Amino acid sequence: DSGVTQTPKHLITATGQRVTLRCSPRSGDLSVYWYQQSLDQGLQFLIQYYNGEERAKGNILERFSAQQFPDLHSELNLSSLELGDSALYFCASSVARTIPDTQYFGPGTRLTVL
Amino acid sequence: AQRVTQPEKLLSVFKGAPVELKCNYSYSGSPELFWYVQYSRQRLQLLLRHISRESIKGFTADLNKGETSFHLKKPFAQEEDSAMYYCALSVSAGNTGKLIFGQGTTLQVKP
Repeated sequence: DSGVTQTPKHLITATGQRVTLRCSPRSGDLSVYWYQQSLDQGLQFLIQYYNGEERAKGNILERFSAQQFPDLHSELNLSSLELGDSALYFCASSVARTIPDTQYFGPGTRLTVL
Repeated sequence: AQRVTQPEKLLSVFKGAPVELKCNYSYSGSPELFWYVQYSRQRLQLLLRHISRESIKGFTADLNKGETSFHLKKPFAQEEDSAMYYCALSVSAGNTGKLIFGQGTTLQVKP
């Protein structure tokens, strides 16, 4: 067990709705990364936070936002959901004292938009 | 451009046969490469990282900067090796460590 936890495991919602995905990093890890895994796009980097601050942005839509809290857990907010947002969303964490660093992944949240 | 290419979507071998999963990358900086494995849509697990030069579950990978490749090899495949394998490149520019993934290769080991 890598120690990264994500909730919920599954989420089913309707188009136009807003959801929040939660991630708790491994103890001692300062950096959190969010990735989206879909059948057509594969695994895509969305955003990275380090010790509460945004560090890098990838292919993240404007309808999506994230934050990292003082206790280092992170939330990914997805709004105005579309059918194409259905995917597996992974969170990963790393110590990030040196770059590059090994990332450890959580079990993912499977989002289904109907 | 930063890119990782895994040319094979599916690789099917018999148990005991050698396996080579191909990975090519494009990156102007100094590459840091990883192999991750994913069993049945579970979480990604680190298989190996090129700088550690470890052999995990019998798998090895050598970074070839001339050919910009990081192929994953195993001399004798086992049925439990059946999974999805992702090659990933860590981008350190901008003080990030974000991973760029290849499209993945499904390894199917037949009995």
